Amino acid sequence: SQQGEEDPQALSIQEGENATMNCSYKTSINNLQWYRQNSGRGLVHLILIRSNEREKHSGRLRVTLDTSKKSSSLLITASRAADTASYFCATDAVKAGNQFYFGTGTSLTVIP
Amino acid sequence: DAGVIQSPRHEVTEMGQEVTLRCKPISGHNSLFWYRQTMMRGLELLIYFNNNVPIDDSGMPEDRFSAKMPNASFSTLKIQPSEPRDSAVYFCASSPGGGGYEQYFGPGTRLTVT
Repeated sequence: SQQGEEDPQALSIQEGENATMNCSYKTSINNLQWYRQNSGRGLVHLILIRSNEREKHSGRLRVTLDTSKKSSSLLITASRAADTASYFCATDAVKAGNQFYFGTGTSLTVIP
Repeated sequence: DAGVIQSPRHEVTEMGQEVTLRCKPISGHNSLFWYRQTMMRGLELLIYFNNNVPIDDSGMPEDRFSAKMPNASFSTLKIQPSEPRDSAVYFCASSPGGGGYEQYFGPGTRLTVT
């Protein structure tokens, strides 16, 4: 399977703390994306990082990509209760055409 | 922009009935994806269209599932006959391109087959 796997499966932190989620994948990729899903809603795109990039920032989000280890991490700084959601990584394998394969997700709970 | 529109939002049907899920992608997007999400299996890609043409349907579970995209503004996912194990949330997403572009998800259709 080309599906990514997020780690941990669940994470609970206090508001104001940083949250780090990891994603591992199996095959060479062109791009990796992170999405957020609030309960009962569709997924919302957060950030895209290309295979030739190592780090990317967007507001309180920081994404790193290590293609040699086939892994990525998503850091949310100064977390807020509104960050409570599930977070997914999605990868497009080099040989898989244009579609993305989503991981299993990390469920983040930020306690006010 | 209204975003990706899916209908119905909820569907409850009896086993053996035909179910049709509908999706209107964002205008101008040329890629459309159907996903199924369950607790057990997570988010699964069912089928992917590019310029209205099915590119990869390897994720379609079996012959009971079929998808069409007759034009750039409409797609359907049909299950006939439906079974209880088809109960899931079905998402449609569109994208202005392929893998290098973000996908915009609809709100999903929650299907319950009794």
